Amino acid sequence: KAGVTQTPRYLIKTRGQQVTLSCSPISGHRSVSWYQQTPGQGLQFLFEYFSETQRNKGNFPGRFSGRQFSNSRSEMNVSTLELGDSALYLCASSPAGTGITGELFFGEGSRLTVL
Amino acid sequence: AQSVTQLDSHVSVSEGTPVLLRCNYSSSYSPSLFWYVQHPNKGLQLLLKYTSAATLVKGINGFEAEFKKSETSFHLTKPSAHMSDAAEYFCVVSDVWYSGGGADGLTFGKGTHLIIQP
Repeated sequence: KAGVTQTPRYLIKTRGQQVTLSCSPISGHRSVSWYQQTPGQGLQFLFEYFSETQRNKGNFPGRFSGRQFSNSRSEMNVSTLELGDSALYLCASSPAGTGITGELFFGEGSRLTVL
Repeated sequence: AQSVTQLDSHVSVSEGTPVLLRCNYSSSYSPSLFWYVQHPNKGLQLLLKYTSAATLVKGINGFEAEFKKSETSFHLTKPSAHMSDAAEYFCVVSDVWYSGGGADGLTFGKGTHLIIQP
């Protein structure tokens, strides 16, 4: 069974640009959540999608957005990039509600560098 | 509200010696607790989980953790460290009653970097 796939793995952008990251969950998983990981702040929850609906959202500005498609694949978008957005963005999938089981299956992440 | 504190940001042990990674939690209700491992340039992988069954939980790769409610702790141990154990370890608390089942109900610790000396 294929794992969670994130693309692209690495990307470099400049301030003011926007970026779209993609996540394909494990087949059959309906919940996709996104996390930002930085050395200073650790892992921070961005948002969770379940059956194409945003279920929860973390404490991030509106520049961070996401969506989920009918096949459960998800994208997240960051507009007007800032230097502080440089991070590893992790996607995780789960069969059902993430918080119920806490069992998350993570992708390898997309490392974003903003210059 | 819930929180989790990993007491050591870095732990260094020699290969073949025991590993102890410490985690304390705070939760209003009866939480579920997890340990995840992250190897360099990889995503996180579930090591083990506690969900109110046996207090001693066995996970993958020889790791285990003991839930101690009186001490609000969930320390991760391994009898004998291997070079491949070098990684970042995260303690996670999940309070479904707080979150209603959503991902915002998961709280991650800051992580403990485990270094294995040859």
